[in-house]
Amino acid sequence: NAGVTQTPKFQVLKTGQSMTLQCAQDMNHEYMSWYRQDPGMGLRLIHYSVGAGITDQGEVPNGYNVSRSTTEDFPLRLLSAAPSQTSVYFCASSAPGQHYEQYFGPGTRLTVT
Amino acid sequence: AQKITQTQPGMFVQEKEAVTLDCTYDTSDQSYGLFWYKQPSSGEMIFLIYQGSYDEQNATEGRYSLNFQKARKSANLVISASQLGDSAMYFCAIRGGATNKLIFGTGTLLAVQP
Repeated sequence: NAGVTQTPKFQVLKTGQSMTLQCAQDMNHEYMSWYRQDPGMGLRLIHYSVGAGITDQGEVPNGYNVSRSTTEDFPLRLLSAAPSQTSVYFCASSAPGQHYEQYFGPGTRLTVT
Repeated sequence: AQKITQTQPGMFVQEKEAVTLDCTYDTSDQSYGLFWYKQPSSGEMIFLIYQGSYDEQNATEGRYSLNFQKARKSANLVISASQLGDSAMYFCAIRGGATNKLIFGTGTLLAVQP
């Protein structure tokens, strides 16, 4: 099992550009989520999904879109990148069998100039 | 709404000593779960230990134990016999409600000194 994979690992965008951060898991987990990590802020929930076709907002959803067409994939879209979106982005997945323990991907470091 | 508070931005501990990392939480849910994650300088998030709100005994996983005091809404992580490899950022998190959202605290940076 590869677990949770994220691509790319690093990305530099210019203000106003759009891009999609990819996340995939091969553990058949129903629950997937996206977090951003800023210095001194811990991890903050952006969006989450409880299954294919179902998504909802977290703490900091503005500027991001998600969709969940399959169980495996949960891409995060930045519609018009802003410097405030410079951060490290983590994708995670979980399932009921282990207290909903979240398995994290390796993260994507995004810089918006 | 759920909230996690970690009041120690940084901690020092001598190798082989025990250290306690504080975590307090706020939730209106009756059923919830508390997690601790470790983030070394390499950046990955590593699950350490879990405590359910209805668990009567404190959770333990090797050198990690969770001092769960439900009435005080605290879930402190105790690391026994600290090792140099324990130097990392430690995050407390709470999961609750029907949505299974995980809310994190701001973390505590632990430095283990030889």
